[in-house]
Amino acid sequence: NAGVTQTPKFQVLKTGQSMTLQCAQDMNHEYMSWYRQDPGMGLRLIHYSVGAGITDQGEVPNGYNVSRSTTEDFPLRLLSAAPSQTSVYFCASRPSGITDTQYFGPGTRLTVL
Amino acid sequence: GDSVTQMEGPVTLSEEAFLTINCTYTATGYPSLFWYVQYPGEGLQLLLKATKADDKGSNKGFEATYRKETTSFHLEKGSVQVSDSAVYFCALSISNTGKLIFGQGTTLQVKP
Repeated sequence: NAGVTQTPKFQVLKTGQSMTLQCAQDMNHEYMSWYRQDPGMGLRLIHYSVGAGITDQGEVPNGYNVSRSTTEDFPLRLLSAAPSQTSVYFCASRPSGITDTQYFGPGTRLTVL
Repeated sequence: GDSVTQMEGPVTLSEEAFLTINCTYTATGYPSLFWYVQYPGEGLQLLLKATKADDKGSNKGFEATYRKETTSFHLEKGSVQVSDSAVYFCALSISNTGKLIFGQGTTLQVKP
């Protein structure tokens, strides 16, 4: 199993550009989440999904969209990038059973100029 | 709302020293508690967890006990190594939504 994969690893955008961060998992996990990591602030939840076709907002959803058309994929879209979205983005997944352990991808480092 | 508070870092220790990283939480339900570790340039990995009061999670010489009475989940290790240098995150999960609430992270640097 590849686990949770994210692409790209690094990205530089100009203000106002749009892009999609890709996330995929091959563990058949129902739950998937997107977090952003900023210095001194830990990880904050952007959006999450409890299954295909079901998504919900987390703590910091503004400026981001998600969809979940398949169990495997959970892309994160930045509609109009802003410098405040400069961050490291992590995707995570976990199974739907009683264990709450989340598995994280390697992250995408995004810089918005 | 639900939250996690960790001790401020960075923490700098000499090899073989005793480590404690404090973590306290606020939650309305009955959370599961976690410690994740992030090595330089990598994503987060689960270090240990505890799912109910008085449970002790342990892994790689690290331990943490779920203390409901003090709402704490402090991370300890008896003898740290240089390879333990990383950022440590305390986190809680209180439902089956898959949501985790993280503390701000504590950077540990271990010197030879």
